[in-house]
Amino acid sequence: GQNIDQPTEMTATEGAIVQINCTYQTSGFNGLFWYQQHAGEAPTFLSYNVLDGLEEKGRFSSFLSRSKGYSYLLLKELQMKDSASYLCAVIDDYKLSFGAGTTVTVRA
Amino acid sequence: ETGVTQTPRHLVMGMTNKKSLKCEQHLGHNAMYWYKQSAKKPLELMFVYSLEERVENNSVPSRFSPECPNSSHLFLHLHTLQPEDSALYLCASSQALNAETQYFGPGTRLLVL
Repeated sequence: GQNIDQPTEMTATEGAIVQINCTYQTSGFNGLFWYQQHAGEAPTFLSYNVLDGLEEKGRFSSFLSRSKGYSYLLLKELQMKDSASYLCAVIDDYKLSFGAGTTVTVRA
Repeated sequence: ETGVTQTPRHLVMGMTNKKSLKCEQHLGHNAMYWYKQSAKKPLELMFVYSLEERVENNSVPSRFSPECPNSSHLFLHLHTLQPEDSALYLCASSQALNAETQYFGPGTRLLVL
């Protein structure tokens, strides 16, 4: 089976940095996605890692270590609009398996 | 706006009703998906279609019946649902089937009474 773990909730202050960790144990691996989901809205694509290392995209960066079954999403210079749920997902062939999501609350 | 639309956005139905959820993608993609998102639980893959053919039926009860008449449209027909089927139903699409980024619609919030 697929097992993807991430913290349930995190709180941070506006302007700060937050790191959301994700660990996975899956039968197959073709890459790891991070999605952002605001309440009542569609999950939107943030990043895709298939090779080890850090991918940077503006204020958001994502890291992958395949040997450790570990990824993190780094959010810098937090803004109030970053308050959302962040979903870690592993793809095996075409099947996406999701973690339960991490709700990030940004406080002024 | 992700290019994937879903209607209705909200639906309340009794256990004896029959209703359908509709998904349409305007991205020219060839693969479409149905997911179920229950409170505090991970998204669960329900069905996968590629070029209008079903390639995955993830042990979903027969009271959920998908239909893909063409590569742009996907339906989920619902009948004799149970209260535990109340959830957010998300549609997604991708360019092709293998390890491609999936783009999600806003979902239909379903409440079964």
